[in-house]
Order: sequence, then structure tokens, then C-alpha cells
Amino acid sequence: DAGVIQSPRHEVTEMGQEVTLRCKPISGHNSLFWYRQTMMRGLELLIYFNNNVPIDDSGMPEDRFSAKMPNASFSTLKIQPSEPRDSAVYFCASSPGTSITGELFFGEGSRLTVL
Amino acid sequence: GENVEQHPSTLSVQEGDSAVIKCTYSDSASNYFPWYKQELGKGPQLIIDIRSNVGEKKDQRIAVTLNKTAKHFSLHITETQPEDSAVYFCAASETSYDKVIFGPGTSLSVIP
Repeated sequence: DAGVIQSPRHEVTEMGQEVTLRCKPISGHNSLFWYRQTMMRGLELLIYFNNNVPIDDSGMPEDRFSAKMPNASFSTLKIQPSEPRDSAVYFCASSPGTSITGELFFGEGSRLTVL
Repeated sequence: GENVEQHPSTLSVQEGDSAVIKCTYSDSASNYFPWYKQELGKGPQLIIDIRSNVGEKKDQRIAVTLNKTAKHFSLHITETQPEDSAVYFCAASETSYDKVIFGPGTSLSVIP
């Protein structure tokens, strides 16, 4: 398996623009997580899905952020409008979602810079 | 909600020495405690985990201990090697398939 695939790897945009980050989880995994990583705040959980259903979005910073998982093989994280403080590395991770193993498999991240 | 603290934030050791990273958590409902290693430019990768019904677990040079009463857990790396240099994160969750809350991370440098 190719692992969790994220795109784009790097995005530079101007304040006010819409940003869409994409994630393809590992086939067969039932859970999908979006994390944001910054020096100041570390790894923050934004939202997670189980069987394509959002379970907990309490980490989403504000209404400018939205996430969708239309099917088991694709998820998006959208920021509209973007602000400089949104600059971070955004990670998608998937997990089998069973009690046997809780391992999160992370993608390589999308580095977002908002000017 | 769960809050995970981690110390130290940076750690420098000589090759061959041991490294210890300590974490505390706040939610007594947490029962699953994974540790992740993040190398530069990559996503975190699971290196070991422990569940609340186990006090200690070992995998080659890596060991984890858990004190559920005190809400402490620790990572021990023995005979450190330069390739152990990375950022290490402890984490906690209620179950192995629930949301995982990460500590702030420890940057480990192993000096050859």
C-alpha cells in the first residue's frame, strides 16, 4: 500500500484566498484524522471521522475551517478565507479503527504558508 | 478534555547513553498511550504503545512504563544511536480507536 497520501505537499497563498487540502487514507481504514502542527501549539487534533461520519470537530478553530469525507477513500480540509495564522503543517492520518490496534498512519503533511 | 504534558522539551545525550522522556495526562478515562517518533519533514510514526492493563512494555532498546494511579507514563531508550535523533511525542486516548491527544513533543539529539 502507498500509505496515506496528501496533496499538495506545499501551498503558498495570500490572505483571503481559499485553501483546499486533500487526503487519501489507507484502503480499509475506518478512521481518518486531521491534525495541525505548529511550533507554538504542537500537534492539534482538528477533526476526526469514523466510517466517513464526523465524530468530533471540537478542535476546528473557527467557521473558516471545514472538513468533508464524501467517501471512504477521500477527505478534504478547506480554509476559507485563509489568514496568516493558519500557516502550519497539516497532517492527515488514518487508522484501522479497531480495538486491536490504535496505530495512526500519518501522511507526509501539507505545509501551508499564508502571506 | 484530555491534556498531555511532556518533559523535557529538548534532550541531548551522548551516543550509547540512555534517554528518558516523561509524560503526564489529565483524563482518568484514558487507557491507551502511544509514542510516536517524527523525523524531519515526515509525519509521526508509532514506535510503541501501552494499554492501561499493562505496567511496562519493552521492544528491543525501547521501553515504556505506565503508572495509572499517578497518571504518568515514560519512554526509555537505551544504547542510543544517532538515528534515534528525532522529535518524540507521547499521546493518550480513551481507547485504541478513539481520538488521540498528543503531548508537545521532545526533541532528542544523540551526539556521536
